[in-house]
Amino acid sequence: DAGVTQSPTHLIKTRGQHVTLRCSPISGHKSVSWYQQVLGQGPQFIFQYYEKEERGRGNFPDRFSARQFPNYSSELNVNALLLGDSALYLCASRYDRPQETQYFGPGTRLLVL
Amino acid sequence: AQSVTQLGSHVSVSEGALVLLRCNYSSSVPPYLFWYVQYPNQGLQLLLKYTSAATLVKGINGFEAEFKKSETSFHLTKPSAHMSDAAEYFCAVTNFGNEKLTFGTGTRLTIIP
Repeated sequence: DAGVTQSPTHLIKTRGQHVTLRCSPISGHKSVSWYQQVLGQGPQFIFQYYEKEERGRGNFPDRFSARQFPNYSSELNVNALLLGDSALYLCASRYDRPQETQYFGPGTRLLVL
Repeated sequence: AQSVTQLGSHVSVSEGALVLLRCNYSSSVPPYLFWYVQYPNQGLQLLLKYTSAATLVKGINGFEAEFKKSETSFHLTKPSAHMSDAAEYFCAVTNFGNEKLTFGTGTRLTIIP
């Protein structure tokens, strides 16, 4: 079975631009979460979606938004990019409950110049 | 609120020696605890998890961890280090009803030949 897939793998943007990152969860998984991992740090929670509804939001500005589609895939959007948004963006999926394993994708590495 | 502290941002051990990576958690309710490994330029892979069953948890690649409530610890061990164990290791915590994983800052493990 395919794991969590993310696209694109790498992205270079300039300050002020907008970016859309995409994630496809493992087949049958209903929950998708997004994390930001800045170089040298642990991942930080951004959003969690379950059955197309936002279930959790981390401490990120409103420039960050996300949505989940009927097929459970998800998009993360970031507006008005700042240099500090440069990071590895990780998507994770799990079937349902918090104690279940979250499976992470390979990430999208975003560089903002 | 919940948090994770990983003592030692860098740990070096000789090949064949014991690996011990430390993780202490803070949680006001019973926690679920996870150890993930991250190889360079890759996403996170689950090593093992504790979800209130057996306190000694065995994972992949010969790793295990013991949940000690009295010490609020969940240290990761492996009896004999292998060169392929060189990576970044993250401890994470969540709990029932919580939608996010809270990660520690990570420990970079180096194996000395």
